[in-house]
Amino acid sequence: EAAVTQSPRNKVTVTGGNVTLSCRQTNSHNYMYWYRQDTGHGLRLIHYSYGAGNLQIGDVPDGYKATRTTQEDFFLLLELASPSQTSLYFCASSDQDREDTQYFGPGTRLLVL
Amino acid sequence: GDSVTQTEGPVTVSESESLIINCTYSATSIAYPNLFWYVRYPGEGLQLLLKVITAGQKGSSRGFEATYNKETTSFHLQKASVQESDSAVYYCALGDHNTNKVVFGTGTRLQVLP
Repeated sequence: EAAVTQSPRNKVTVTGGNVTLSCRQTNSHNYMYWYRQDTGHGLRLIHYSYGAGNLQIGDVPDGYKATRTTQEDFFLLLELASPSQTSLYFCASSDQDREDTQYFGPGTRLLVL
Repeated sequence: GDSVTQTEGPVTVSESESLIINCTYSATSIAYPNLFWYVRYPGEGLQLLLKVITAGQKGSSRGFEATYNKETTSFHLQKASVQESDSAVYYCALGDHNTNKVVFGTGTRLQVLP
């Protein structure tokens, strides 16, 4: 089973702060995703990638950048954090083309004051 | 667009009682959607509970069942007798295997009382 880890697990920052959320998967999956989860909403896709150096825009990308440095590592960057970005963030991965079963990390809870 | 609507939680049931969490979907841009139930236990990430890729088929796992009903566009999650350890958040989702994208419902928090 795929192993997906996220760090940090909890983060507090101030408005305008710079935050990087990290995700690593160790099962050689091609696809990786960043989602946010807010009360009253399903998981909403921020950015995703289908390989090192690739980046695709998701459904709610505003205020976020992402970078896929290796097949294993996918980072989410908030360069000027705002309170509206307070949320629970999940990273996920999936195997190959035409495979929509996703494997999730434990989540990062971000609070922007 | 594509969307998933599920029972608004929290849902509270007593141990050994039966459970149904409703899920309906709209797949306007996906010709043959796959349907999923994911579960998130406290402090953990989502994990796949069951997946069905063919209309009319039933998926089952850990005593949970869901049938892919194309006529009613539904994929309700059922369990005959819940346990306290089933307390979690349950997400219905639909997927497009051509794009690898998945659309999630809002999640239903289930609390099982001892």
